[in-house]
Amino acid sequence: QVQLQESGPGLVKPSETLSLTCAVSGYSISSGYYWGWIRQPPGKGLEWIGSIYHSGSTYYNPSLKSRVTISVDTSKNQFSLKLSSVTAADTAVYYCARAVVFDYWGQGTLVTVSS
Amino acid sequence: QSVLTQPPSVSAAPGQKVTISCSGSSSNIGNNYVSWYQQLPGTAPKLLIYDNNKRPSGIPDRFSGSKSGTSATLGITGLQTGDEADYYCGTWDSSLSAGGVFGGGTKLTVL
Repeated sequence: QVQLQESGPGLVKPSETLSLTCAVSGYSISSGYYWGWIRQPPGKGLEWIGSIYHSGSTYYNPSLKSRVTISVDTSKNQFSLKLSSVTAADTAVYYCARAVVFDYWGQGTLVTVSS
Repeated sequence: QSVLTQPPSVSAAPGQKVTISCSGSSSNIGNNYVSWYQQLPGTAPKLLIYDNNKRPSGIPDRFSGSKSGTSATLGITGLQTGDEADYYCGTWDSSLSAGGVFGGGTKLTVL
């Protein structure tokens, strides 16, 4: 069974960089599929952040592209998200999932942007 | 403002049928597969339908999906109180601003 688990700080200061990691078990990232990040502000809908292939090729949400970096570490079977220059508007539950059809999801992690 | 348009809410009685619409354009729904996700309160979304009308293993056949042109529809029959959740459609947008897109979500209330 494929399982994903997000980890990272739950509190980030404004203007700093949000960093999250998604550990994958039950499936080798090197075997294929895209792997993605999705976020959900409190009380709002889902927003796709970006996706990465095991080779490292990426697609990013155009509205976030200038601030987002997604990377993959196949040796650790995990992929990561960095979002720079965060503001309160980036406060959300961040999910990692197997893409393109998001068939497996992590439980999500709440990241609050506040000083 | 979401790229895909869903009704904010729908409601129906237990045992009844409900449909949830998802409207897009030729750059997204019109030329790409649609997926549907169920999000129960306080939990991560769960894949219900993929490739317009396919159900993952374990999803009951009470849930169905269809697509016509630039719109897609999720159908749920034999409604149960446990179906109360938010439902989201999603697809890929192949425009210059290519990327994954979701609908704004529809809250299903089982009266």
